[in-house]
Amino acid sequence: LAKTTQPISMDSYEGQEVNITCSHNNIATNDYITWYQQFPSQGPRFIIQGYKTKVTNEVASLFIPADRKSSTLSLPRVSLSDTAVYYCLVDSNYQLIWGAGTKLIIKP
Amino acid sequence: SQTIHQWPATLVQPVGSPLSLECTVEGTSNPNLYWYRQAAGRGLQLLFYSVGIGQISSEVPQNLSASRPQDRQFILSSKKLLLSDSGFYLCAWRKGPNTEAFFGQGTRLTVV
Repeated sequence: LAKTTQPISMDSYEGQEVNITCSHNNIATNDYITWYQQFPSQGPRFIIQGYKTKVTNEVASLFIPADRKSSTLSLPRVSLSDTAVYYCLVDSNYQLIWGAGTKLIIKP
Repeated sequence: SQTIHQWPATLVQPVGSPLSLECTVEGTSNPNLYWYRQAAGRGLQLLFYSVGIGQISSEVPQNLSASRPQDRQFILSSKKLLLSDSGFYLCAWRKGPNTEAFFGQGTRLTVV
C-alpha cells in the first residue's frame, strides 16, 4: 500500500492561495490520488481526485507531476472557513487507508 | 440520491458494557462499507471494511467486531467496552476503489 507524507500543519491568511504537497513515493500504476477535507466532529468530505497532470474543480486544483510521486492541492483565495484538516490518499484497493493529514489554519 | 445514516450521534457507556453502532446507506446497491475510529487530533484508523454481505475484513485486532447482515447495513459491536474504545466513530461507503467516499455524521463514544 502506498504511504503518504504531508506536513503536519500550515498557516495562511485570508485571500491567499494555499498549496499543500503530499509525497507518495511508492504509488502504483493503478493508484489515484484523492484529497479530502475534514472539519472538527464531522466526517471527511471529498475535494478532488486525479491520476496525472492537472485537475481543477470549483473549489480546488490538483497538480500531479509526471513521475506521480507527489501531488499538490491548491486552494485559491482561502477564507477562514477553509480552516480544516486536509488528507491526501493514494487509493487503489478496497482498504482506503488514511494518513495523519495537514491541519490548515487560516488567519484573518 | 445516496445518503448514509449513522446513529447515535453521541453515546456514553460504562466500561464492560456492550456496544452496537448502526450505519445504513440508501440509494445505492452493493456499496463498499467502512468503519473508522478517530482519536482527538488524529487521523482516521480503519477498523473494518466490507465489500459485500457477510464479507468483513478486520484491520486492527481489538475487542470490536463488525457485521453486515444486509447489503446496505453495517454494524459495529463490542461485547465489553474498554476505556480505550472511546473516540469518534465514522461509517463510510463508496462504490469501489478510486471512487469518492461518503461519510456519516459520526458517533462520539465516551466510555466511562
